[in-house]
Amino acid sequence: DSGVTQTPKHLITATGQRVTLRCSPRSGDLSVYWYQQSLDQGLQFLIQYYNGEERAKGNILERFSAQQFPDLHSELNLSSLELGDSALYFCASSVAPPDTQYFGPGTRLTVL
Amino acid sequence: EDKVVQSPLSLVVHEGDTVTLNCSYEVTNFRSLLWYKQEKKAPTFLFMLTSSGIEKKSGRLSSILDKKELFSILNITATQTGDSAIYLCAVEAGRGGGATNKLIFGTGTLLAVQP
Repeated sequence: DSGVTQTPKHLITATGQRVTLRCSPRSGDLSVYWYQQSLDQGLQFLIQYYNGEERAKGNILERFSAQQFPDLHSELNLSSLELGDSALYFCASSVAPPDTQYFGPGTRLTVL
Repeated sequence: EDKVVQSPLSLVVHEGDTVTLNCSYEVTNFRSLLWYKQEKKAPTFLFMLTSSGIEKKSGRLSSILDKKELFSILNITATQTGDSAIYLCAVEAGRGGGATNKLIFGTGTLLAVQP
């Protein structure tokens, strides 16, 4: 158990819908990272926050957005969902970049 | 374009064998290289390497970084069936000082250890 929690564990929704994934970092960690892992793309970095501020962006679509709240938890919002958005979404946290990142258990999103 | 390449893509060994996994990279503003083990769930952290030539060791696993030749290796000795997993290499790149950085992952090496 890494200490990073993610909810929900599994999410099934239809195309065109919007979902929110939630992540609580380890106690004391200020930085949160979001990743997408699909079978054909492997693990892809999406976005990073540090103490509430966006710090880095990777391959994140415009339909996706995220934020980190004052209590340091983070949410990843996915809208206008497409079949290709089906993937495992991981959140990771660290004390501060470039410290070691610890991954949560992931949220599996299935878009039907 | 930043990239991380791992080889081999997959390998099958027998228990007791020693394996070497490779990770080469081309990134700007290299900060560190990380190894992770992923079984059926989330990746778990193995090592973080920042300096060349200094071996990091944890039980039967060890890793070393060569910043001149831009690669790292992960060695596993006396393999066990429980070592079967995908091993991921990632390179952290950024401008430092807590500013923007990113983590670039390789596609992973699938290791299967047969009894």
